[in-house]
Amino acid sequence: ETGVTQSPTHLIKTRGQQVTLRCSSQSGHNTVSWYQQALGQGPQFIFQYYREEENGRGNFPPRFSGLQFPNYSSELNVNALELDDSALYLCASSDVPSSYNEQFFGPGTRLTVL
Amino acid sequence: KNEVEQSPQNLTAQEGEFITINCSYSVGISALHWLQQHPGGGIVSLFMLSSGKKKHGRLIATINIQEKHSSLHITASHPRDSAVYICAISGGGADGLTFGKGTHLIIQP
Repeated sequence: ETGVTQSPTHLIKTRGQQVTLRCSSQSGHNTVSWYQQALGQGPQFIFQYYREEENGRGNFPPRFSGLQFPNYSSELNVNALELDDSALYLCASSDVPSSYNEQFFGPGTRLTVL
Repeated sequence: KNEVEQSPQNLTAQEGEFITINCSYSVGISALHWLQQHPGGGIVSLFMLSSGKKKHGRLIATINIQEKHSSLHITASHPRDSAVYICAISGGGADGLTFGKGTHLIIQP
């Protein structure tokens, strides 16, 4: 059984650029959630994808968008990067679209915006 | 005010000590999660509970739904337990987990 993987591990961008982060869900999982974790803070929910549709969204602006593919892998896209977007971005997969169930986290992508 | 409050924020203890980390929340929940995060970022789920008590090895998690409070205990602590322990709540819908800020635990040999 393959766990949740994310790429890239680290990324440096400049303000105003766009970035795409990738997540492969655990085998058998059809739901992917994305979280942003600023330094010294707990993760914050960005959105969730279930069967290729956005299924729930946290308090993040529209420049944060996503996709889920038929194999349930997912992308997080951030446009017009701001300095405050610097954070660890975590994805988590689960086998049902509910936060009640156990979520399996990837190792994260650390994004630095200069 | 954050919906999930953890205490203490930082905890340093000696190997072998009994550790308690507390979590209080202010809204109705369907479940509470305890997670462990090591340096570098990876998060591992330790417990998910909606009532009572769960035990796994040296870790024990309890929850009191009426008082909106949960505790994570570590018995016979070991330096490898050093990590950030995070409490998170879920409402049961597709709204993701709401996390506390975490407790940074250091166990000294």
